[in-house]
Amino acid sequence: NAGVTQTPKFQVLKTGQSMTLQCAQDMNHNSMYWYRQDPGMGLRLIYYSASEGTTDKGEVPNGYNVSRLNKREFSLRLESAAPSQTSVYFCASSLRTPGDEQYFGPGTRLTVT
Amino acid sequence: GDSVTQMEGPVTLSEEAFLTINCTYTATGYPSLFWYVQYPGEGLQLLLKATKADDKGSNKGFEATYRKETTSFHLEKGSVQVSDSAVYFCALLQGGSEKLVFGKGTKLTVNP
Repeated sequence: NAGVTQTPKFQVLKTGQSMTLQCAQDMNHNSMYWYRQDPGMGLRLIYYSASEGTTDKGEVPNGYNVSRLNKREFSLRLESAAPSQTSVYFCASSLRTPGDEQYFGPGTRLTVT
Repeated sequence: GDSVTQMEGPVTLSEEAFLTINCTYTATGYPSLFWYVQYPGEGLQLLLKATKADDKGSNKGFEATYRKETTSFHLEKGSVQVSDSAVYFCALLQGGSEKLVFGKGTKLTVNP
């Protein structure tokens, strides 16, 4: 089992460029999540998807869009990147039974110059 | 709203020392509590969890007990190893919620 995979691992963008971060899970999980991790801030939820076809905003959704393409895949799009979006992005998934843990991907390190 | 507070790091210990990382939470109801670990350059992995009061989660020599009376879930290990060097995150999940609430993380460095 690959678990949760993310591409790319690293990316450098110029301000104003766009890009899509890809995430896929092979655990047949219902829920998927996008977080960003910044020094001293812990992880903050950007968007999540409780099931195929649904998405909801998290704590810091501004500047991002998401697509739950199917049960396996959940992408995060930056339409016009800003330096404030420099961060490490993690995708996660969970089965969403009570008390169930989330499984995390290896992360994408994004730098916006 | 719900929140998690962990002790500030970094924490530096010698091998075989005793480890405690404090975690307290503010939440309504009866959340599930988690400790996640992040090794350098990797994503987060679940270390242990507890889903109700007085439950003890344990894994790889680490333990934490869900204390509702003190709203705490402190992480402990009796004898740390160099390989335990990582960032540790305490988190809570409310029943019926999708949103895992994280503390800010505590960086642990264990020296030989």
